[in-house]
Formats: sequence, C-alpha cells, structure tokens
Amino acid sequence: DAGVTQSPTHLIKTRGQHVTLRCSPISGHKSVSWYQQVLGQGPQFIFQYYEKEERGRGNFPDRFSARQFPNYSSELNVNALLLGDSALYLCASSLWNQPQHFGDGTRLSIL
Amino acid sequence: ELKVEQNPLFLSMQEGKNYTIYCNYSTTSDRLYWYRQDPGKSLESLFVLLSNGAVKQEGRLMASLDTKARLSTLHITAAVHDLSATYFCAVDMTNNDMRFGAGTRLTVKP
Repeated sequence: DAGVTQSPTHLIKTRGQHVTLRCSPISGHKSVSWYQQVLGQGPQFIFQYYEKEERGRGNFPDRFSARQFPNYSSELNVNALLLGDSALYLCASSLWNQPQHFGDGTRLSIL
Repeated sequence: ELKVEQNPLFLSMQEGKNYTIYCNYSTTSDRLYWYRQDPGKSLESLFVLLSNGAVKQEGRLMASLDTKARLSTLHITAAVHDLSATYFCAVDMTNNDMRFGAGTRLTVKP
C-alpha cells in the first residue's frame, strides 16, 4: 500500500511569493495534519483536517492556510513568503484519533 | 501551553554502552510517541505509549511512560552505529494535535 505522498519534494521560492504544497493520505485515512520543521528543531503543528473540516490550528500567522478535498487529499498554502518560512513541511495522515503516518516532506527554501 | 522537554539534546555514545533519553511534558496526556529521524528524512514511528506504566521494546530500544510524573524514557542498550539519528518524543494533545520535543541528536561512535 502507498504511504503518505507529498509533492513537490523540493521547492525554491523568493520572498513575497506564494506556495502550495500537496499531500495524499494513506487510502482510508480521513485525517490529515501539517507540520513545519525548521532545521535543528522538532516539528511544529500547523493544521489538522478531518472530513474536510479544520479541527485544529497551531500558532501560525494567517499567511498559512489549508484545505482538504473530498478525496481527503490536502493542500497547504503559504502567502507572502518570508525567509523564516524555509523549512521541511511534513504531512501526516491517520484514522481518527489513531497514530499518524508521516510523508517524506517538502523541503521549502526561501531566497 | 503544553511544553515538551527532551534531554539531553545531544548525545555521543560509544558502541556497546547504555544510555537513557528523557522526555518531560507539562500537561495531562495519555498518549506519547517516539520517532526516529535520519538526516534529510521524514519521521519513522518507533513506539506508541498509551497508558501509565506502558513499556515497549524493539531491538536495542525500550520506551516507558509514567503519566503521573509526566515522564517518558527511551533506553538504549548496547548501542550500535546504526542507531545514530535524531530521536523525538511527541505528546498527543487531542485529536492528533501533537507537540514535539526539540529532539535528541544521538551519535554512536565505534
């Protein structure tokens, strides 16, 4: 079975641009969560979606938004990119209230 | 605000030695995870601890949970080079809102 897949794997943007990251959960998983991992730190929770509704939000500015589609895939959008947004963005999927499975991440670099 | 603190943050061990990584958290939770991360890679789930007193072992790694003390430990027995990685503990706040520690970067030397 396919695991959590994320695209793209790497991305380079400049300050002020916008970016969209994509995540396909494991088949049957309806919960998708997004995390930001800055180099040398632990992942920080950004959003959780379940059944296309936002169920949780971490301490991130409104420049960060996300959505979940009817097929349970998800997009993370970041507007007005800052240098500090450079990080590994991880997507995780699960059944409701069950352990999460992480994708390989999207490495975002802001120049 | 939940705080998750790991120590040590950096650990250099000789092969064959034993050591323990500690994970303290500041609020009630009955679900704690340990993950391994290799450089440039994603998170690999090692253990899920679901109740007070839970102990799980896989190979040279053993994890335990004391919910009353809000403490989890990851014990390494007879370390080998292949265990070199960064280890994270994570506490499940509620409904998959997980808070991670800063990680323990383990280096096992011959």
